[in-house]
Amino acid sequence: GAVVSQHPSWVICKSGTSVKIECRSLDFQATTMFWYRQFPKQSLMLMATSNEGSKATYEQGVEKDKFLINHASLTLSTLTVTSAHPEDSSFYICSARDVGLAGYEQYFGPGTRLTVT
Amino acid sequence: GESVGLHLPTLSVQEGDNSIINCAYSNSASDYFIWYKQESGKGPQFIIDIRSNMDKRQGQRVTVLLNKTVKHLSLQIAATQPGDSAVYFCAENAYNNNDMRFGAGTRLTVKP
Repeated sequence: GAVVSQHPSWVICKSGTSVKIECRSLDFQATTMFWYRQFPKQSLMLMATSNEGSKATYEQGVEKDKFLINHASLTLSTLTVTSAHPEDSSFYICSARDVGLAGYEQYFGPGTRLTVT
Repeated sequence: GESVGLHLPTLSVQEGDNSIINCAYSNSASDYFIWYKQESGKGPQFIIDIRSNMDKRQGQRVTVLLNKTVKHLSLQIAATQPGDSAVYFCAENAYNNNDMRFGAGTRLTVKP
């Protein structure tokens, strides 16, 4: 149980285009999902917290107009990188918190490798 | 700002030896701590967690120790195996926060 999937697992796009990454909780409902970014040899940095049915909360320094987050259902959150640039190339990881459980545990997806050329 | 950090960025051990990975945290409000293992190109994998009302918790081959006095967390891996080679992150969560903050990570390399 508690599986989180991401799609695609990797994507290459041209500079200036937009890319959408999906995060799904497969066997549980998630009122809250989180989006992280990880550069090579670095730690995970929280980008935003996504709550089902409401606007995402972005961390300081993360452009909300560039990284669009939609959490339309209890099992799906999407991150759209708009007008991508090479510096947006990174490993994007989502996590989800089970609405049925009290506490803090988060379940992580396998990540999406984005390369902007 | 508050942060979670690690003492050692890399650790190399011989197969069969015990490994100890350390983590320092600075947010005194944190009350839940987790260790994650991340293999190359994959998402973090939960290893073990501990709440602030405990100072030790054991799992299969792993033990987490929490010293709230000095805000220190450690992960002990017994009889380290080549499959344990990965980057290990500590993470902390405070009751009044809805997110988890990760430390810098330690790369563990197990030599055969």
